Amino acid sequence: AQSVTQLDSQVPVFEEAPVELRCNYSSSVSVYLFWYVQYPNQGLQLLLKYLSGSTLVKGINGFEAEFNKSQTSFHLRKPSVHISDTAEYFCAVRTPYQGAQKLVFGQGTRLTINP
Amino acid sequence: GAVVSQHPSWVICKSGTSVKIECRSLDFQATTMFWYRQFPKQSLMLMATSNEGSKATYEQGVEKDKFLINHASLTLSTLTVTSAHPEDSSFYICSAQREGLTGELFFGEGSRLTVL
Repeated sequence: AQSVTQLDSQVPVFEEAPVELRCNYSSSVSVYLFWYVQYPNQGLQLLLKYLSGSTLVKGINGFEAEFNKSQTSFHLRKPSVHISDTAEYFCAVRTPYQGAQKLVFGQGTRLTINP
Repeated sequence: GAVVSQHPSWVICKSGTSVKIECRSLDFQATTMFWYRQFPKQSLMLMATSNEGSKATYEQGVEKDKFLINHASLTLSTLTVTSAHPEDSSFYICSAQREGLTGELFFGEGSRLTVL
């Protein structure tokens, strides 16, 4: 079974500052990794994903994440945040097998951008 | 990108009544849909996996008779909360898996249920 740990439940950051949201996973098999963003009272929107290949993945809204297999991490980063980035961020994993693809989510990190 | 729509986006009902939430994939066929429940300031909890034309697979601890799931077509899955009680109040989110596309699920906007 897979599990995901997001180490920070809340991260306050000033506008235009860099940010890193941490995600560690546990799995006995290879995994696909995802970051989703959730704005208030909305569903989830995919920011980026790692399936294979380059360990540095670039996503939407200027976010990127790096897959580190030895540290079983997939931290999300943005060099300069905006007020509009205030949201809940979820890291998720699933196994790369055929069939129904159940995602396992982390607990979420609430990113708050202060002016 | 692919679009998944949920309806209603919010609903208020009286205790003891049943509420149906629809999840539609608007521009692709989804053989598999998932239903999640999200409590305030918490993560998503998978309730069940809905497969078109067959019975849903429920996660441990989820009452099948309480949360009825139907996946009658390749573009529609419904979640019915039967005999709703205040503790069923929550944010329910569906996601759809597009056949042939690996690595991504498409999420609906969510439905907020409040049971009085």
